[in-house]
Amino acid sequence: DVKVTQSSRYLVKRTGEKVFLECVQDMDHENMFWYRQDPGLGLRLIYFSYDVKMKEKGDIPEGYSVSREKKERFSLILESASTNQTSMYLCASSLSLSGQFSYEQYFGPGTRLTVT
Amino acid sequence: GENVEQHPSTLSVQEGDSAVIKCTYSDSASNYFPWYKQELGKRPQLIIDIRSNVGEKKDQRIAVTLNKTAKHFSLHITETQPEDSAVYFCAAGNSGGSNYKLTFGKGTLLTVNP
Repeated sequence: DVKVTQSSRYLVKRTGEKVFLECVQDMDHENMFWYRQDPGLGLRLIYFSYDVKMKEKGDIPEGYSVSREKKERFSLILESASTNQTSMYLCASSLSLSGQFSYEQYFGPGTRLTVT
Repeated sequence: GENVEQHPSTLSVQEGDSAVIKCTYSDSASNYFPWYKQELGKRPQLIIDIRSNVGEKKDQRIAVTLNKTAKHFSLHITETQPEDSAVYFCAAGNSGGSNYKLTFGKGTLLTVNP
């Protein structure tokens, strides 16, 4: 069974704080993703990574950065948290098949971040 | 970039009825279309997917159809049960370029009333 874990289920931070959200997967997946989920807006991609130290911007990267120093770990960083970053953050991972499309994304349980 | 529209945003049906959720996409290069189900308080999970070389795929009570010409695909759930109540997301991706990225629709909250 693929297991994707996230460092916290609930997190409360103050405006201006630096926030780290961590995601770990145990299935040797090449691809990892960070989404935020807001009511009525679905899943919006923040950043993704297809290999160690590789990253690409998603649809809403502003105010976020990421780090992938090891294959199993993908971190999302809020350099200076703001109230509009209050949201549910979901991490996901997927396999890359050589020459084929990487298919199923496995999601973590999510981190509910509140910025006050 | 790809844009995925999903309708309706909410859907309420009686147990035993069928439910249909529709999605359209904009990028003609998209060739992979998964559907994810997210129960309340849980993580999204893949329930069915379809690739562009197939027009329809079925798995027990759920089926997905794809019309590449019209750029739309649909999820059909027959004989709905209360445990089908969840948020359903469609998505689109392609195997060229950024072949590891999916674009999701905004979701449909399905409620099955007993």
